[in-house]
Order: sequence, then C-alpha cells, then structure tokens
Amino acid sequence: EPEVTQTPSHQVTQMGQEVILRCVPISNHLYFYWYRQILGQKVEFLVSFYNNEISEKSEIFDDQFSVERPDGSNFTLKIRSTKLEDSAMYFCASSEQEETQYFGPGTRLLVL
Amino acid sequence: AQSVTQLGSHVSVSEGALVLLRCNYSSSVPPYLFWYVQYPNQGLQLLLKYTSAATLVKGINGFEAEFKKSETSFHLTKPSAHMSDAAEYFCAATAGNTPLVFGKGTRLSVIA
Repeated sequence: EPEVTQTPSHQVTQMGQEVILRCVPISNHLYFYWYRQILGQKVEFLVSFYNNEISEKSEIFDDQFSVERPDGSNFTLKIRSTKLEDSAMYFCASSEQEETQYFGPGTRLLVL
Repeated sequence: AQSVTQLGSHVSVSEGALVLLRCNYSSSVPPYLFWYVQYPNQGLQLLLKYTSAATLVKGINGFEAEFKKSETSFHLTKPSAHMSDAAEYFCAATAGNTPLVFGKGTRLSVIA
C-alpha cells in the first residue's frame, strides 16, 4: 500500500540554523500539506500546496518558512532560522482529492 | 470558521469494554469528518472518514463512527476494547477545500 514517507525521523539543531524537512507524498496525489504538533498540543496546519504553488497558509507559516517541490517526488519544508519554539513534530500529508489526507510518520525537530 | 471539540482529554476503559470517544464539530456546512489514531512515537493513521455517504462509517480495527447532523457529532465507538487500542485519537474536519482542523485529541488507556 502506498504511503507518505518523511526524512529524517529526528533532527536536532541549534537555534538560528536552517533545517530542511523532506517528504515523499503518495505518487498520484496532487495536494500536499505540512502540519506540526508541539508536544502535548493539537495538530496545527501550516501550509498547503497545489499545482506548484502555495494554496493556503496559516499565520504560523511566516517568512522563516518556505516549501518547495524540487522534483516530481519530493516536497520540502525549510525553516530558515530556527527558534526554540519551532521544536515540534512536523507531519507531511498528501491527498488525491481534496478531502482525505494521508499522513507521513513525522519528523521530530528539536531546537536547542 | 471550522472548529472541532473532543470531550475528554483522557479516557480509560477496561479490556473488553465499550469505547466511546466524543467529537463535535462546528460548521455551517456539513464537513468531511475523520478520525485519526496516533500510536506512541508514530504518525497519524487514518481510522475512518465520513464524506457525505452513509452516516454510519466503519473503519479499521473494529472502530466505527456515526455522523449525526442534528447533534453536530461524530463520535467514535468500538464494542470491545483491546489492549492494542491504547493510543491518542484525533477527530478532524475539513470543508473539502480547506485544511484539516483537528481536535485536541483523546488519549485512550485500556486496563487489563
């Protein structure tokens, strides 16, 4: 069964450093998403991506964040200058139609 | 704006007992509704979904949920809890062209 994959599974970085989180969505899916879950809190939407551009973003997704689909398979989330409060689990999701999203296993980011 | 409320951050049941996890949504338009399960240190797995077909939806692992428009509810049930059901359960909603909005989650503990 096709699944969304994410790398790395864990990332530890120093405050101010740039990180790139990678996702490989399910191959025939057209809609891509990033969500995050701060420890003990609810899952929050960051950004959605369709047809090679951002379709919607939350207020969390400020100028330090960017997304890219550099080739036909990868979907990346870049955090330019990490802050302590960026420590969270980051989930990638994809969907074929707009309503049912399938999630990857997540990348746990720890900013020190 | 869409919102999802899960009553009870922690539910504890005995093995073999009925599981009932509550979810209410707030929307002017009946949304698409989902239950996801998150096992410790893992990603979000789709348990079941309501997409305006049958109001009683069956999912994996013996779970089911019933969409009740009059009560704006989508409660998750399982007739007989198993130890392996211990996990965090998230209810989520989307209007179909908007990102998923998640509830805060309910942690299910199963006591032997």
